[in-house]
Amino acid sequence: DTGVSQNPRHKITKRGQNVTFRCDPISEHNRLYWYRQTLGQGPEFLTYFQNEAQLEKSRLLSDRFSAERPKGSFSTLEIQRTEQGDSAMYLCASSQGQGPDTQYFGPGTRLTVL
Amino acid sequence: GQNIDQPTEMTATEGAIVQINCTYQTSGFNGLFWYQQHAGEAPTFLSYNVLDGLEEKGRFSSFLSRSKGYSYLLLKELQMKDSASYLCALPSNSGYALNFGKGTSLLVTP
Repeated sequence: DTGVSQNPRHKITKRGQNVTFRCDPISEHNRLYWYRQTLGQGPEFLTYFQNEAQLEKSRLLSDRFSAERPKGSFSTLEIQRTEQGDSAMYLCASSQGQGPDTQYFGPGTRLTVL
Repeated sequence: GQNIDQPTEMTATEGAIVQINCTYQTSGFNGLFWYQQHAGEAPTFLSYNVLDGLEEKGRFSSFLSRSKGYSYLLLKELQMKDSASYLCALPSNSGYALNFGKGTSLLVTP
């Protein structure tokens, strides 16, 4: 049973460039979440998918951010026109079941915007 | 909205017992999670409490008091590998997203 995987693990980009991250959830999990974490803080929720439907978005998710989950399997998170404030660890998690259920996190993608 | 409060840092000695507290305010309660996160790694699930009382899992136990808005994580027989950040989290009012506290950084010393 493989866990949640994320690619790339590290990304360095220049301000103004676009970046895209990929998350592959645990195969039988129909829920997928994106979080952002900065140093010394807990993860902050960005968005949530149930299968292919994006059901919830945080106000943190500005219009420069877009997430997709075509076919309800892997997901991508794109950040357009990156800013230095976007530098963070981007974590993906997946879960299954009804109501609040245990989320399993991937190793994250560390983004550095120069 | 929700508010979660945890101590920022704690230090304990190898072999000892440590209690990490979490207090919270929320308009609706759907349980409370504890996660462990080693530096540079993903958070890993430790426990989920939805009813009052103590739940024990090996060296780790978690306690919940819904009336007091209070939980704690109890770590026994501390090992050096327990040095990590411990995150308290509540499901959001929608029941899906997790709202995390800032985490408690635990340092275990020899």
